[in-house]
Amino acid sequence: DTGVSQNPRHKITKRGQNVTFRCDPISEHNRLYWYRQTLGQGPEFLTYFQNEAQLEKSRLLSDRFSAERPKGSFSTLEIQRTEQGDSAMYLCASSLASQGLNQPQHFGDGTRLSIL
Amino acid sequence: KNQVEQSPQSLIILEGKNCTLQCNYTVSPFSNLRWYKQDTGRGPVSLTIMTFSENTKSNGRYTATLDADTKQSSLHITASQLSDSASYICVVSARRSNYQLIWGAGTKLIIKP
Repeated sequence: DTGVSQNPRHKITKRGQNVTFRCDPISEHNRLYWYRQTLGQGPEFLTYFQNEAQLEKSRLLSDRFSAERPKGSFSTLEIQRTEQGDSAMYLCASSLASQGLNQPQHFGDGTRLSIL
Repeated sequence: KNQVEQSPQSLIILEGKNCTLQCNYTVSPFSNLRWYKQDTGRGPVSLTIMTFSENTKSNGRYTATLDADTKQSSLHITASQLSDSASYICVVSARRSNYQLIWGAGTKLIIKP
């Protein structure tokens, strides 16, 4: 399978703990995006990388959230001191910059985070 | 304010029937409009992408239309199948950059046998 891969698929943790998610994009894709999705809503943009550079962060991305893409390949999203409101599906997507603005974003199946 | 509104919120139809989902947007400057299908517990999958100059685009039994003047789009599904049960999300891209996608809340479609 050469699609976008996210791990873990599910994460259950206690409030206050730190969690880290991983995203492996389609290998030739240089753009990578993180989204958060709650039940019954569309995804909300969190942040975006082109290669290893983090080019944009949403205001939704509080100080407790940090994302990295150290070598321009896989990316990690870390949430520190988790809160109940962090419970959501975290989606990763990738795309090719060379195809211009009209290329589709290819999504992984997400990591579902549940905070107890 | 950039917004995307979809209707209906949910829809139930019988297998084999056609249906049309609606999307209205107020995104400016407009770049393109996308329809995604999202199965429960899965990530969204792209169905179509339309730019300003395109009025219609098909992908199998899915046909999307775009009226850039009235800022409306529709997604028509022909001869529905049980596997079409999913949420269908309309997404509009603003011209400034690729990351600035404005997502609708989706229409939840249920196909009954």
